[in-house]
Amino acid sequence: KAGVTQTPRYLIKTRGQQVTLSCSPISGHRSVSWYQQTPGQGLQFLFEYFSETQRNKGNFPGRFSGRQFSNSRSEMNVSTLELGDSALYLCASSLYGTDSSGNTIYFGEGSWLTVV
Amino acid sequence: EDQVTQSPEALRLQEGESSSLNCSYTVSGLRGLFWYRQDPGKGPEFLFTLYSAGEEKEKERLKATLTKKESFLHITAPKPEDSATYLCAAGGATSGTYKYIFGTGTRLKVLA
Repeated sequence: KAGVTQTPRYLIKTRGQQVTLSCSPISGHRSVSWYQQTPGQGLQFLFEYFSETQRNKGNFPGRFSGRQFSNSRSEMNVSTLELGDSALYLCASSLYGTDSSGNTIYFGEGSWLTVV
Repeated sequence: EDQVTQSPEALRLQEGESSSLNCSYTVSGLRGLFWYRQDPGKGPEFLFTLYSAGEEKEKERLKATLTKKESFLHITAPKPEDSATYLCAAGGATSGTYKYIFGTGTRLKVLA
């Protein structure tokens, strides 16, 4: 079956701009979660959506937002970009959510964002 | 403070030399302890979830165990293709707030 698809794979933005990243989960999966990975901070949980509702949220400022559509596809938006937002943004999907038992979580390849 | 700490940061093994990676956690209301493998330039690959102390799970040369304070990933007779960064994460919930915290990983290099 097709895996988790993230677009775009690479992008460069200027400080102060905004960016939207897209994630298509595995067919049938209703949970989509987003993560930021940087060399300094490692992998950090941003938020999770389940059936179009934000279910869990990490400790990131309000500039980071997301949404999920009825077909489970999800988008993540970062407004007023800062240099420190340069990172690999990963999306993962699962059937029941990260906090559910008996669940396998599948990650996409990520979107590399560079802010200049 | 909720925290996940992995050790060692890096590990070099000869092919066939078994070892263990450690993941210590202090996360309230543990819902699950997760292990992932990540290859350079790729997203993490899910390996295991452990839910309660005493639980063990195995997959090929990997075996994960869980106690109330730490988890171990045992690698038996590793091969060069096991070289990767191994990440653990702990998910927990208190007062309706869910946290999902990753460790910084162990970079494993297996030499032929």
